[in-house]
Amino acid sequence: QAQLQQWGAGLLKPSETLSLTCAVYGGSFSGYYWSWIRQPPGKGLEWIGEINHSGSTNYNPSLESRVTIPVDTSKNQFSLKLSSVTAADTAVYYCATRIAAANYYGMDVWGQGTTVTVSS
Amino acid sequence: DIQLTQSPSFLSASVGDRVTITCRASQGFSSYLAWYQQKPGKAPKLLIYAASTLQSGVPSRFSGSGSGTEFTLTISSLQPEDFATYYCQQLNSYPVTFGPGTKVDIK
Repeated sequence: QAQLQQWGAGLLKPSETLSLTCAVYGGSFSGYYWSWIRQPPGKGLEWIGEINHSGSTNYNPSLESRVTIPVDTSKNQFSLKLSSVTAADTAVYYCATRIAAANYYGMDVWGQGTTVTVSS
Repeated sequence: DIQLTQSPSFLSASVGDRVTITCRASQGFSSYLAWYQQKPGKAPKLLIYAASTLQSGVPSRFSGSGSGTEFTLTISSLQPEDFATYYCQQLNSYPVTFGPGTKVDIK
């Protein structure tokens, strides 16, 4: 089963761009959706978006104007870029994956989470 | 967007209790629902997918059911390690959405 390891800057100033990367170890990159989810302090989970191995993306409309999820299949990595961050983007960010063959599969592998704080 | 609500939002229970959490959707769909368990400081863990299929390695005391607009997660006999927050998630349509969570605490 694949493992996900994520990294990226943990402290940002307002208006900067959040950039996180998630590496896939021990599994195939094709046949899966690769997702980003976030969780503000003390709150619930919010789906940010996902990409498949061929580069097809789906984004949460609430963030779509500021989000891109690029993939680098040569490195088995995918990333999250969120522009023009504000304090409202402060959260723990998770990468996760699910089987793409059918939409009823849940997200069975998760990264360890990265705490991102936006503060001036 | 499909909105998910969960009830109760907080549940106080004892070891050995049978616990049921309900997830209701603003629009009906078939079986594109998953349940997760999250403990403080940890990533969510997939328990159930396709509304009722137990994820590999998850104890059989967890079960899921439902379709349409109402889904349930049942823990048949609550164990000490089950005290956590539980989330439902719909994968029927974009954007993928999560319920607000149900915190299960020790009575």
